[in-house]
Amino acid sequence: EVQLVQSGAEVKKPGESLKISCKGSGYNFTNDWIGWVRQKPGKGLEWMGIIFPSDSGTRYSPSFRGQVTISVDKSISTAYLQWSSLKASDTAMYYCARRLGFGEPTDYWGQGTLVTVSS
Amino acid sequence: QTVVTQEPSFSVSPGGTVTLTCGLSSASVSTNYYPIWYQQTPGQAPRTLIYNTNTRSSGVPDRFSGSILGNKAALTITGAQADDESDYYCVLYMGSGISVIGGGTKLTVL
Repeated sequence: EVQLVQSGAEVKKPGESLKISCKGSGYNFTNDWIGWVRQKPGKGLEWMGIIFPSDSGTRYSPSFRGQVTISVDKSISTAYLQWSSLKASDTAMYYCARRLGFGEPTDYWGQGTLVTVSS
Repeated sequence: QTVVTQEPSFSVSPGGTVTLTCGLSSASVSTNYYPIWYQQTPGQAPRTLIYNTNTRSSGVPDRFSGSILGNKAALTITGAQADDESDYYCVLYMGSGISVIGGGTKLTVL
């Protein structure tokens, strides 16, 4: 059974760094693009970017390039979304998903990680 | 910045038919954008209903259908049911691996 399991909720202060994770299981993790979607409270979904675990190739939305870093550790089938300096406006639910880019049908989603940034 | 446009809200009666659309601010939507439709209910992760314009994902009822209508992608729900009340998002592929998600349509069934 394919599963994407995300790390737990985080509460951080502005300026702090953060790395959240998404662990895949039940499939060959290296062979499918995996990516991240943001959803601010009460708002819509936003496509952030994707990574191909086999070679760590990435694609970012222009809106998120330079704001976050997507990485992967294929040895433990885990993708990451990282901030070096959080802002209050980063408060949101973050979902990882398999096959998020290239027009492919997104078929599996993580359960979401709620990130709250507040002083 | 590419903007994908959707109706903010729509209402349909139970058993009725509704068509939600997905456009681009500066171009016509075609199959080349590989339109995808997500459904999201409160507190849940999204679910893919339609991909590649008109292909239903596994397990999606056939009352959901996708198409290109004029210069937009469209999601039609025929015989709407109460549990179709959800947010619906359109996703368009812009090339180089990058997609853009529309602002979403909140569908009310009443």
